[in-house]
Formats: sequence, structure tokens, C-alpha cells
Amino acid sequence: DAGVIQSPRHEVTEMGQEVTLRCKPISGHDYLFWYRQTMMRGLELLIYFNNNVPIDDSGMPEDRFSAKMPNASFSTLKIQPSEPRDSAVYFCASSLRGYNTEAFFGQGTRLTVV
Amino acid sequence: DAKTTQPPSMDCAEGRAANLPCNHSTISGNEYVYWYRQIHSQGPQYIIHGLKNNETNEMASLIITEDRKSSTLILPHATLRDTAVYYCNVRVARGDSGNTPLVFGKGTRLSVIA
Repeated sequence: DAGVIQSPRHEVTEMGQEVTLRCKPISGHDYLFWYRQTMMRGLELLIYFNNNVPIDDSGMPEDRFSAKMPNASFSTLKIQPSEPRDSAVYFCASSLRGYNTEAFFGQGTRLTVV
Repeated sequence: DAKTTQPPSMDCAEGRAANLPCNHSTISGNEYVYWYRQIHSQGPQYIIHGLKNNETNEMASLIITEDRKSSTLILPHATLRDTAVYYCNVRVARGDSGNTPLVFGKGTRLSVIA
């Protein structure tokens, strides 16, 4: 398996524009996580899914952020409208169900909102 | 919030053992200790995890104190490529009913020096 795949790797957009980040988890994994990383706040959990169902979205900073998982092999994180303070690296991770499993991370999407 | 405390930075000479401490004094009986590392600009990478016994794999060793309130990650022969931020996490194990996501603290920035 190629691991967790995120696209795009880099995104530069203007304030107010809609941004969509994409993630393909490892095949067969039941859990999918979205994280955001900034220098100030470190790695923050935004939301996670189990079997395509959102379990906890308490980390989503504002209503401008939304995430979907329409099927087991694809998830999106959307920001509308984007703001400069949304600039960060966004990571997606996936893991198997079970008590003794590790999470595998993608390479991240570096988002810059100007 | 992260339930772990780590020193912000450490140095280690190349070829020597790197010992990274982690305090998790409020750990519960059903929580595992996980270690990840993040090399600059990449996604976090799983290293090792354990419940109460010491663990060893091809990357590192994990020593957990008998009271489970602290642990040490040991890289036996550090190389320049081990320079990274190392994160210690605790994660609830819920058996086959599922698991909980990783919550990251600030980690320890390990610099391996030639």
C-alpha cells in the first residue's frame, strides 16, 4: 500500500476563497483523523471518523471548517471562506480498529492563505 | 489536552544512546504509551508503544516504570537522521470496540550532533 495520500501537497489561496483538502486513507483502515499543525499551537486534532461516520468534531475551530467522508477511501476537509490564520500544515492519518494499533500519517498539505 | 510532559529539547552525540524521558503521572490503567517522531516537514511517524512491559523493536526501546507514571524512549545508537521532534502520547485502549485518537503535546526536539 502507498500509505496515506494527501493532496495537494501545497496550496496557496487568497483570503475568502474556498479550500478543499483531500485524503485517501490506507485501504482497510476503519479510522481517519484530520490534524492541523502550526508553530504556535502544535499538532491539533480537528475531527475523526470511524467507518465513515464523524465521531468527534470538537476540534474543528469554526463553522468555516467542515469535513466529510463519503466512502471508506476518501475524505475531504473544506474551509470556506479561508482566512490568513488558517495557514498551517494539515495532516490526515488512518488506523485500524482495535486497541493495539498505530496511526499512519500522510505527508500533509501546507496551506497558505494570503 | 495532552496528558504527558516532555523536556522541550535535548542533544545527543552521534553514535551514543539517546534517552528521551516522558512523564505521564495521571495515566489510567487502560491507557497505552505511544511514541511518534516528526522529521522536519514530514508527517509523524510511529516508533513504538507499550502498556506496562518494556518493549523493543528495530527502531527503539521503550522502558516504562513499574508505576507507569513515566517512560523513556531509547534510541540505542543515534544517527544524524534521528534528529526530529519526539512525541510521547497516552491513548485509551477500548478493546475491540474501538480506540481513541492521539493527542499531541509539544514533544522533545532531539538534535543529534556529529
